[in-house]
Amino acid sequence: AQRVTQPEKLLSVFKGAPVELKCNYSYSGSPELFWYVQYSRQRLQLLLRHISRESIKGFTADLNKGETSFHLKKPFAQEEDSAMYYCALIESSGRRALTFGSGTRLQVQP
Amino acid sequence: DVKVTQSSRYLVKRTGEKVFLECVQDMDHENMFWYRQDPGLGLRLIYFSYDVKMKEKGDIPEGYSVSREKKERFSLILESASTNQTSMYLCASRLASTDTQYFGPGTRLTVL
Repeated sequence: AQRVTQPEKLLSVFKGAPVELKCNYSYSGSPELFWYVQYSRQRLQLLLRHISRESIKGFTADLNKGETSFHLKKPFAQEEDSAMYYCALIESSGRRALTFGSGTRLQVQP
Repeated sequence: DVKVTQSSRYLVKRTGEKVFLECVQDMDHENMFWYRQDPGLGLRLIYFSYDVKMKEKGDIPEGYSVSREKKERFSLILESASTNQTSMYLCASRLASTDTQYFGPGTRLTVL
């Protein structure tokens, strides 16, 4: 069965500092990975997906199949980045349901 | 813009009550989902519906059932609420040909 691990419950950084939110996965097939974000009092929304290889709000994430990781990075954190971040994996066949990690709360201090 | 709405933001019920949580989407999405969100556990899939009248158990279906009589509406039912079902419940929908799920605002259910 697939599994997504986010080892940090809370990550606190100062504004302007680099950010790395860790995500590791286990899956027997070819994974498709996502980062979802939930800002305070807002609904959960897609931030980025590994297939797109895009940068959203300055965030990037690279899939490393050797290390089975999909860490989320941003070179210079902003206060508005404070939110709950979830890494998720989608099954490559069947119901294609998302499996979420436990989430990491990012706090960016001024 | 996809809009997923949930019938209540906050709900307080008593142990043993039957509870209905409603979710409506306005984008003709085939797939709909119910998750519960708990601190330290993330989101866990309760039930999933491929299309009208089609449903499949997720990872934690015990104590829950669902109904999908119309494409736009997906209901989560707690037949006999228990205190361990106190949680935030999130509904999501997705076009079957895509992977992006759109989430509702959530219903915070407290069972006393």
